[in-house]
Amino acid sequence: QSVLTQPPSASGTPGQRVTISCSGSGSNIGRNAVNWYQQLPGMAPKHLIYSNNQRPSGVPDRFSGSKSGTSASLAISGLQSEDEADYYCATWDDSLNGHWVFGGGTKVTVL
Amino acid sequence: QVQLQQSGPGLVKPSQTLSLTCAISGDSVSSNNAAWNWIRQSPSRGLEWLGRTYYRSKWYNGYVVSLKSRITINPDTSKNQFSLQLKSVTPEDTAVYYCARSGASGAIDFWGRGTLVTVSS
Repeated sequence: QSVLTQPPSASGTPGQRVTISCSGSGSNIGRNAVNWYQQLPGMAPKHLIYSNNQRPSGVPDRFSGSKSGTSASLAISGLQSEDEADYYCATWDDSLNGHWVFGGGTKVTVL
Repeated sequence: QVQLQQSGPGLVKPSQTLSLTCAISGDSVSSNNAAWNWIRQSPSRGLEWLGRTYYRSKWYNGYVVSLKSRITINPDTSKNQFSLQLKSVTPEDTAVYYCARSGASGAIDFWGRGTLVTVSS
């Protein structure tokens, strides 16, 4: 059972917009910045979003993030076939001496 | 560009110690702006942060509470790398283990390729 809650799956057709939610609590999302990662099969996670809504260099602007209260979301606009992957949210949690926590992951399928 | 190269055995027997090393290029393990993490991933547990080491005028470590009695993360400044030791492993410790950097933004930004470690006799 992951500390952050994500829907297990999401889907869309090419060109559509897909949104993934991430729900936490006051000790994690409520206090700290949210990050998002994309994981292709057999690969390590790749950093997509940091500080709630900032994109590292090289990440397409089709990916955007937002945060409100104890929830965050990742949006993929103009969905492409190569966006089919697992997506994870992550943030620091201030409880239990502090530790990183992750969502359970959302599998995005491009129909 | 930061690169993290992992090494270590892929098979460990129950009750023994899991040992992995992560060699850093493009940054320094002694950087005052970075932290060096170990994270694992399994179908049953998902992504699980294990702990970190970092330098801020002196060395600090932080570990997930559930593993605190079994885990050690150490920096090696002479080789610019850091290591993970997990004692008394059981089959539940079977997972893909990743080393990763937390950069100046605080985010976990660069990851190693991962090492599948299987605990089995």
